[in-house]
Amino acid sequence: SQQGEEDPQALSIQEGENATMNCSYKTSINNLQWYRQNSGRGLVHLILIRSNEREKHSGRLRVTLDTSKKSSSLLITASRAADTASYFCATDAERDTDKLIFGTGTRLQVFP
Amino acid sequence: NAGVMQNPRHLVRRRGQEARLRCSPMKGHSHVYWYRQLPEEGLKFMVYLQKENIIDESGMPKERFSAEFPKEGPSILRIQQVVRGDSAAYFCASSPRRNHYGYTFGSGTRLTVV
Repeated sequence: SQQGEEDPQALSIQEGENATMNCSYKTSINNLQWYRQNSGRGLVHLILIRSNEREKHSGRLRVTLDTSKKSSSLLITASRAADTASYFCATDAERDTDKLIFGTGTRLQVFP
Repeated sequence: NAGVMQNPRHLVRRRGQEARLRCSPMKGHSHVYWYRQLPEEGLKFMVYLQKENIIDESGMPKERFSAEFPKEGPSILRIQQVVRGDSAAYFCASSPRRNHYGYTFGSGTRLTVV
């Protein structure tokens, strides 16, 4: 079954630095989404990129999608301590859009 | 708009007991999704429901687990005869229609089986 894999599993940086997380998936998709999860909390939707898009921006977030490599990256620029959280990519399946397939997540720690 | 409400936030059950997890979707949302998250893992799809209908239960264990979304009231995820392996965080998400992207998730119910 399709499964997303995030890389790295954990990332520690200083405030002000950029954080890059990568996600790979296995099957054709309609779109890919990134979610954030603070410790012990639910998921918050960050950004969605469609399969016909290559790059998308939202504030300090930049997402790229390479469907030929079945991979996506999330870049957080000028990170803040409040960005500390786990970040998950999630894909639908081209023929089954009713459920999301989540990756294993990247745990980001931003030190002040 | 209160968002997706899940209760209880934490639930402790002894092995063999029943667990009932509730999810009230956002106002106007008639589609509900349940996901399970084991420690240090991503979310795994369990079931997708619309009012009074189960649309996709391909992620539900065949035994002991059931879900419903009645015409009135919250969606219920029911786990009978819980075992230690059921300990996890259970998240509910809702959307206003099918194929709507960017679900709204609740804060989850953390089930601990002792």
